[in-house]
Amino acid sequence: AQSVSQHNHHVILSEAASLELGCNYSYGGTVNLFWYVQYPGQHLQLLLKYFSGDPLVKGIKGFEAEFIKSKFSFNLRKPSVQWSDTAEYFCAVSNQAGTALIFGKGTTLSVSS
Amino acid sequence: EAGVAQSPRYKIIEKRQSVAFWCNPISGHATLYWYQQILGQGPKLLIQFQNNGVVDDSQLPKDRFSAERLKGVDSTLKIQPAKLEDSAVYLCASSLRNTEAFFGQGTRLTVV
Repeated sequence: AQSVSQHNHHVILSEAASLELGCNYSYGGTVNLFWYVQYPGQHLQLLLKYFSGDPLVKGIKGFEAEFIKSKFSFNLRKPSVQWSDTAEYFCAVSNQAGTALIFGKGTTLSVSS
Repeated sequence: EAGVAQSPRYKIIEKRQSVAFWCNPISGHATLYWYQQILGQGPKLLIQFQNNGVVDDSQLPKDRFSAERLKGVDSTLKIQPAKLEDSAVYLCASSLRNTEAFFGQGTRLTVV
């Protein structure tokens, strides 16, 4: 069965600090990978996705993620966080046959100004 | 483009009562999902529809939960009878086949 592990439950950073959130998945086949964000009081929104091709994908708001197949990882990065990045971040995986997303438990990011 | 619509936004019921949630997906999206998100956890799939057929309901507690998607558009999720542990946010999402899912605002259910 597919599963997703997010290593950090709660991350606290100051503005302008760099961010890296870890995500590992367990699945032997070809996968689609996603990062979703949930800002306070809002619905889940897609940050970025990887289906195939360049393993370094860029998303909205300066976020990027790198797919490392050998490590089953899809870590999220941002070089300089802002207060407005305070939110909950979810890594998710599906397979290329179109199964539903399997989510990690999420990481809460708190950015202080 | 209109997003995924869900109602109600909030619901408080007593245990053993029944409750229903409604979802209207993005127009043209054949795939519809219901997820349960318990506080502090990621969303967990309850059921996936492709048009009006069920693709995956392996994690749906069928003794108390039911869902339908008549005519392949709107969907309802019902809980009867509710238990305290059903307190959660119920998320509806929709997608075109094998693409990212778009989520609604969710329904926050509190069972007391």
